[in-house]
This record gives sequence, structure tokens and C-alpha cells, in this order.
Amino acid sequence: QQQVRQSSQSLTVWEGETAILNCSYENSAFDYFPWYQQFPGEGPALLIAIRSVSDKKEDGRFTIFFNKREKNLSLHIKDSQPGDSATYFCAASEASGSWQLIFGSGTQLTVMP
Amino acid sequence: GPKVLQIPSHQIIDMGQMVTLNCDPVSNHLYFYWYKQILGQQMEFLVNFYNGKVMEKSKLFKDQFSVERPDGSYFTLKIQPTALEDSAVYFCASSWTGGNTLYFGEGSRLIVV
Repeated sequence: QQQVRQSSQSLTVWEGETAILNCSYENSAFDYFPWYQQFPGEGPALLIAIRSVSDKKEDGRFTIFFNKREKNLSLHIKDSQPGDSATYFCAASEASGSWQLIFGSGTQLTVMP
Repeated sequence: GPKVLQIPSHQIIDMGQMVTLNCDPVSNHLYFYWYKQILGQQMEFLVNFYNGKVMEKSKLFKDQFSVERPDGSYFTLKIQPTALEDSAVYFCASSWTGGNTLYFGEGSRLIVV
């Protein structure tokens, strides 16, 4: 059973639209949720992260909306650009006990010009 | 930003041989990780390492796998002997605190033939 789930394997949007990538999780003990961006042939790079005490985190064009009760979160990419085309991984870890960062299966985003 | 370097970037090896993957983590980071990624799919946790010890490992971290960081040099993943199913990209990561912001290298692509 996947602990972190990304329901969409792929998503295509037009340049300028808002891309919305969804993620859900099982473990109530998860309290840190980073999103990683990965381009082909490269390692994942941290894009933005949120802790479970917050319901929203914004950084430029990127916003995380977090719903602790429903155990889901979403990454919104405003004004999508072709350069945003990449695979986005949702991840989660616990505050204490485990240092594992558990990744979802990723959503491949394509932004069409 | 902070860089994690991995050597080699790719290696082809005969099944049954030994391979060592090297990682130069971000200086002053204390926690080190190895992840396995097959065909651009999700990152799967293998092991984390702190203060000279394995802290956690997953079921993917078989008996043939070992990690060490002798005297603050490279953090290494050794596989002996290798099997066909070990073919994957192995990502090293490091962090200042456990389980939070991980910085990943660009990966070592291992092909076992």
C-alpha cells in the first residue's frame, strides 16, 4: 500500500494556465511535505515544502494547499511555462522517529507553448 | 545551491561483480541517504546513515548492500554481488537534520548485464 499517492501519472497544460498536481497520504504522523522537481537525467531538487501546522505555503508561482483532515495536498503552479515541464514528486516524512522521506510515484507535467 | 556529487555517473557491470557508488555530500551535512529509482519512476528509500551508523533501511536494502563513510570521505554504497534487478539509478542525498530538506546528487546509473 503506497503511503504517498499521486493520482495523476501525467498532466498537460497550456502555457499561462495554472497546473494543479494532487497528492494524498496515509500516515497521520507525517508532518513535513516537500515537493521535488526532477528534469530528465538529473536528481530531484526541492521546489517548495509545507509543514502540517500550515494550510498554505506560497513561493512565487508555486503554492501548496494542505488539508490535514482529508490527508491531501496539492501543488499549484501559476502561469505555467514550458520550462516547468518536469516530473514533480510529492514526499512526506514524520516529525520524529523515522528519517525516511517517502516519495509518491510522480506526476509528469508538460506545459505546451 | 548546495551540491551533492556522485561518482560514477554511470557504470555497466557484469552480474556477480562488485560495484561501489561514491557520494560526496554537502559539507557540514550530517545525514546521508541512498535512494533507488527505476526508469524515471518513484524514488524508493534504501537506507539512511548518521554518525557512522545505519539508522534505517528498507526491504530493498538487501544483504548484498552495504554503506559506509570512512573518516569523513565519500559516503559509499557497495553492492556485492550484483544482480540483474539492481539495474537502476541510485541517488545519494544529504541533509543537515534528519528527514527534512534532502539535497540530491544527479544519480549513478547502474546497468548490470
